[in-house]
Amino acid sequence: EDKVVQSPLSLVVHEGDTVTLNCSYEVTNFRSLLWYKQEKKAPTFLFMLTSSGIEKKSGRLSSILDKKELFSILNITATQTGDSAIYLCAPNAGNNRKLIWGLGTSLAVNP
Amino acid sequence: DTGVSQDPRHKITKRGQNVTFRCDPISEHNRLYWYRQTLGQGPEFLTYFQNEAQLEKSRLLSDRFSAERPKGSFSTLEIQRTEQGDSAMYLCASSLGLSSEKLFFGSGTQLSVL
Repeated sequence: EDKVVQSPLSLVVHEGDTVTLNCSYEVTNFRSLLWYKQEKKAPTFLFMLTSSGIEKKSGRLSSILDKKELFSILNITATQTGDSAIYLCAPNAGNNRKLIWGLGTSLAVNP
Repeated sequence: DTGVSQDPRHKITKRGQNVTFRCDPISEHNRLYWYRQTLGQGPEFLTYFQNEAQLEKSRLLSDRFSAERPKGSFSTLEIQRTEQGDSAMYLCASSLGLSSEKLFFGSGTQLSVL
């Protein structure tokens, strides 16, 4: 059965800290892994990773995938209060390209 | 606005009533997904469409749930004889399909069953 585990489930940091969020997965017919940020409403897209070892970067956020060890990490440097959100990891698996969602990591950044 | 739109944003209903939600995807997207999300959980897959064809429905989905996408554009999700356990955020997402796996989400419909 397809499985996604995110850790930690929740995290509280101070502004300026750097955080690393983890996502490990076991899925059949893996194609890619997506990261989303969810604040009060719908998830918004951050990254899509398809190749191992290639870092994707967007401002203070970066992510990398390890297809051999079946995990991905999302890094946020110099955190700001606006980074407070739930971060969701979703591998894309199977012939129908369905996303398998983790429970998310709830990040709270305190001023 | 050219994003995914959902209507209504909020719905409060009494147990046993039927409810219907609507989703308008991004116009060129041929894949449309419905998810359900409760507090502290990731989105739970319900069903998805490739154009007008419903290609998969979650095995966990009760027969009280039905979805349509009659012309391959907007979609409706109906819940019959609602139960309190149906209370959740119902999210719709769309994607280009074979050429892109990135989902774009609507703002969701928050359902409360009293």
